[in-house]
Amino acid sequence: DIQMTQSPSTLSASVGDRVTITCRASQSIDNFLAWYQQKPGKAPNLLIYKASNLESGVPSRFSGSASGTEFTLTINSLQPDDSATYYCQQYYYYWTFGQGTKVEVK
Amino acid sequence: EVQLVESGGGLVQPGRSLRLSCTTSGFMFGDSGMSWFRQAPGKGLEWVGFIRPKAYGGAAEYAASVGGRFTISRDDSKSIAHLQMNSLKTEDTAVYYCSRPVCVYDGYRLCYFDHWGQGTLVTVST
Repeated sequence: DIQMTQSPSTLSASVGDRVTITCRASQSIDNFLAWYQQKPGKAPNLLIYKASNLESGVPSRFSGSASGTEFTLTINSLQPDDSATYYCQQYYYYWTFGQGTKVEVK
Repeated sequence: EVQLVESGGGLVQPGRSLRLSCTTSGFMFGDSGMSWFRQAPGKGLEWVGFIRPKAYGGAAEYAASVGGRFTISRDDSKSIAHLQMNSLKTEDTAVYYCSRPVCVYDGYRLCYFDHWGQGTLVTVST
């Protein structure tokens, strides 16, 4: 099985800050990685696919990057509406998620 | 507009069965695979199973945690996917989501998920 290790588990930042969330795969996944945002009581919402492709309708302050087996989600100019839990998901071999990162906007 | 609506959740005793449904609209259901995920209370997301489009055999695959107990089926005439859950355990308690994949290859390989239902809560308890 492919393991996804996501960090940090929580973070708190102010409006306008840049935040980064990291996900590391236990083996090569050829950049087949997606990022989702989930708000309490709601379904996940796709943000990024293939490591760096922005899903249609997602604000451009969200971006993704990759370096080998390490993947990063960056939120530029954090907004109050970005308070949520973020998950990475590999889809190279079946599907596994990172543990999630809860983002609090101060 | 793509829509997915889960139904069938509820309270069930350990060892009993439950069938969830995912009613869809707004896309060519017969051409699409479908997947189920779950999320235990306060926990992260877990893949449950995936069913291929019939053009690619219509087979289903499952996570090890549910294999042999859960079965996914599809009714293309009604654009509905089902998740039959047997021999339920307390650890199956979760919100269950169905989701539509976007697949890079064929209809079932290298898929991420662009539309999700709202989820249905399954509680397994005495």
